[in-house]
Amino acid sequence: AQRVTQPEKLLSVFKGAPVELKCNYSYSGSPELFWYVQYSRQRLQLLLRHISRESIKGFTADLNKGETSFHLKKPFAQEEDSAMYYCALRGWGGSNYKLTFGKGTLLTVNP
Amino acid sequence: DAGVIQSPRHEVTEMGQEVTLRCKPISGHNSLFWYRQTMMRGLELLIYFNNNVPIDDSGMPEDRFSAKMPNASFSTLKIQPSEPRDSAVYFCASPRPGNTEAFFGQGTRLTVV
Repeated sequence: AQRVTQPEKLLSVFKGAPVELKCNYSYSGSPELFWYVQYSRQRLQLLLRHISRESIKGFTADLNKGETSFHLKKPFAQEEDSAMYYCALRGWGGSNYKLTFGKGTLLTVNP
Repeated sequence: DAGVIQSPRHEVTEMGQEVTLRCKPISGHNSLFWYRQTMMRGLELLIYFNNNVPIDDSGMPEDRFSAKMPNASFSTLKIQPSEPRDSAVYFCASPRPGNTEAFFGQGTRLTVV
């Protein structure tokens, strides 16, 4: 079974403050982890994935297999970062894959 | 490409009525997911198809829900009979073959009164 846990439903920070959105996962094999973002009135879209090891819009996330975590971080939050963030896991397994999401964290960046 | 297209965008129906949600995935994508989004449960995977075949429907809440993918360019999610607790936003998503990014439709906001 694969499971994604985002412990915070709501997170509020001030502009310029660091932000960390937590994500923990449970999966018996080798997972692939993602962060998706949903801005107000827009569709979900991929923000970043762990295999790319890239920074998107100032966000980074490191896969920690020991702690089974994939926390999303940004050193200086901006108001336009306010959105719903979902952590997602895909298990490796043949040509079929199941993409499981956490319950999401609503980030609000205050001016 | 217009991306994943869902219809209708909004649906309001009375309890007990049949509801059909539609999805057109991106051409060439051979997998399709249906998700339900609520404040309480977040994004729940209902069912996913690969090459038009249902692979995992363990997330379908009960027999009132059914999904079909008669061909590579069309899928439906049907609720019969609908209940107020089915009110949610339903998303369809399709990933590109060989690329693990899933592209989402804009969703159908269903309200059952």
